[in-house]
Amino acid sequence: GIQVEQSPPDLILQEGANSTLRCNFSDSVNNLQWFHQNPWGQLINLFYIPSGTKQNGRLSATTVATERYSLLYISSSQTTDSGVYFCAVEAGANNLFFGTGTRLTVIP
Amino acid sequence: DTGVSQNPRHKITKRGQNVTFRCDPISEHNRLYWYRQTLGQGPEFLTYFQNEAQLEKSRLLSDRFSAERPKGSFSTLEIQRTEQGDSAMYLCASSPEVFGSGTRLTVV
Repeated sequence: GIQVEQSPPDLILQEGANSTLRCNFSDSVNNLQWFHQNPWGQLINLFYIPSGTKQNGRLSATTVATERYSLLYISSSQTTDSGVYFCAVEAGANNLFFGTGTRLTVIP
Repeated sequence: DTGVSQNPRHKITKRGQNVTFRCDPISEHNRLYWYRQTLGQGPEFLTYFQNEAQLEKSRLLSDRFSAERPKGSFSTLEIQRTEQGDSAMYLCASSPEVFGSGTRLTVV
């Protein structure tokens, strides 16, 4: 199956700082999603972004499909942003391939 | 309730016992997915239903695993003769992007 790599694996930020998370994928994809998994295990879809740029409040995402990567930007981070961020791609099959995630810890 | 509901939230079982998990998807969604997530990893696809038809199964779904979706509504995932390696979070998704909170299985 398609390979999805995320970096960095771990990130510690002071509250208020900005960050960029990266997702590289090994093949053409039909779709790409970013998820946030909270400490209780709940996965929440943040963006559905096969290409281009989207913004939602303090979060934005950019996917460059021709170069097979996506970036998630978090600005003015808050402690509630802590958790694991996953990139997941859909590549023809009826399922998502997930990366191993970036664990973000925001400290006050 | 507009979300995906999974029961139980936690299950501890002895090795060799059978366990069954339930997923109630969002009512108007006809697609349902099961994923497995082990510690420190992203979710991995297990199986996919379109209404009551099981259309795809991962190689991860050994013959000890069986999933059903009678009448295209709720779904069950059964694991027979559990092994310690089955310990994981089992996630259900209704459409590709709406996940339940998962069932955490611990096999002792």
